[in-house]
Amino acid sequence: DSGVTQTPKHLITATGQRVTLRCSPRSGDLSVYWYQQSLDQGLQFLIHYYNGEERAKGNILERFSAQQFPDLHSELNLSSLELGDSALYFCASSEDVWNEQFFGPGTRLTVL
Amino acid sequence: TQLLEQSPQFLSIQEGENLTVYCNSSSVFSSLQWYRQEPGEGPVLLVTVVTGGEVKKLKRLTFQFGDARKDSSLHITAAQPGDTGLYLCAGATSWGKLQFGAGTQVVVTP
Repeated sequence: DSGVTQTPKHLITATGQRVTLRCSPRSGDLSVYWYQQSLDQGLQFLIHYYNGEERAKGNILERFSAQQFPDLHSELNLSSLELGDSALYFCASSEDVWNEQFFGPGTRLTVL
Repeated sequence: TQLLEQSPQFLSIQEGENLTVYCNSSSVFSSLQWYRQEPGEGPVLLVTVVTGGEVKKLKRLTFQFGDARKDSSLHITAAQPGDTGLYLCAGATSWGKLQFGAGTQVVVTP
């Protein structure tokens, strides 16, 4: 158990819908990272938040957005969902910016 | 884009054999991390290497970071079925974000 929690574990929805994925970092960690893992793309970095502020963006679509709240939990919002958005979404947390990252168990999103 | 190439993509061996997984890049990374991932679960951090030429041992696993900090290897001695999994290397880039390799699927059969 990494100490990082993600909910829900599974999510099945239809195209065009909007979903919110939630992540709680390890106690004391200020950084939260979001990653997407699909069969053809592997693990891809989406976005990084540090102590409530966005620090870096990766291959994140404009239909996707994220935020980190004062209690340091983070949410990833995915809207206008497409079939190709089906994937595993992981968050990871670290103590600071350059420290080791610990991954949560992931949310499996299926878009039908 | 800093790309990490892992080889081989797939490795199937018998229990007790040794194996080596490689992670190569044309770019320099400030650090490199190795993870193992099982189906449907999150990657689990095995080790972080930071210094060029560094060697770290974790029981039967030996990790090396190249002198130029562009490549790394993972060697498993006397593999066991519990070593089965997807091994991922990841290089730390700007603001600590990780650039992952595609992974090496290792299967150890009894």
